[in-house]
Amino acid sequence: AQSVTQLGSHVSVSEGALVLLRCNYSSSVPPYLFWYVQYPNQGLQLLLKYTSAATLVKGINGFEAEFKKSETSFHLTKPSAHMSDAAEYFCAVSGTGGFKTIFGAGTRLFVKA
Amino acid sequence: DAGVTQSPTHLIKTRGQQVTLRCSPKSGHDTVSWYQQALGQGPQFIFQYYEEEERQRGNFPDRFSGHQFPNYSSELNVNALLLGDSALYLCASSPPGQGSHEQYFGPGTRLTVT
Repeated sequence: AQSVTQLGSHVSVSEGALVLLRCNYSSSVPPYLFWYVQYPNQGLQLLLKYTSAATLVKGINGFEAEFKKSETSFHLTKPSAHMSDAAEYFCAVSGTGGFKTIFGAGTRLFVKA
Repeated sequence: DAGVTQSPTHLIKTRGQQVTLRCSPKSGHDTVSWYQQALGQGPQFIFQYYEEEERQRGNFPDRFSGHQFPNYSSELNVNALLLGDSALYLCASSPPGQGSHEQYFGPGTRLTVT
């Protein structure tokens, strides 16, 4: 069975500081891994996805994530936070043979001026 | 090119009623998935439609049913509404051959059951 655990329901950083959002996954098959962002009263927007091509994945808005099989992790980082990054972030996993995506509970990112 | 659209944006229903939510996929997409997102939680997979058939279903009761039309648009029906069905319902579409590996989400329909 597949599952996703996001460590920390809330993360607060200062503008210009490093953003680190943690995600650990469980999957019995090689996974596809995703990070989505959700702004208030909106749907989800894909930030980046891992599909086994490269372990370091670069996404939109300066975000990137590194797939670490040994740690079953897929943490999201951004070198310098911007006020516009304040949103809810979801890590998700799907399998090579399945059709459903399993989402984590989400991490709300607050950015302080 | 319009993205994924959903209607209505909001609606309020009473317990026991039935509701139909609608989704139009992004142009060129043939697969539609539905998710339920309760307040403060991540989206939960309801089911996915492909070629007008339900291809996979999540852990939701039979009160939740769907349909996909020849133009790939889709409906989600929920019967005998419960208070716990209050949530944001998200539709996602995928291009051919991608299943859930490339999904584009609509803005959602906010359902409130009173």
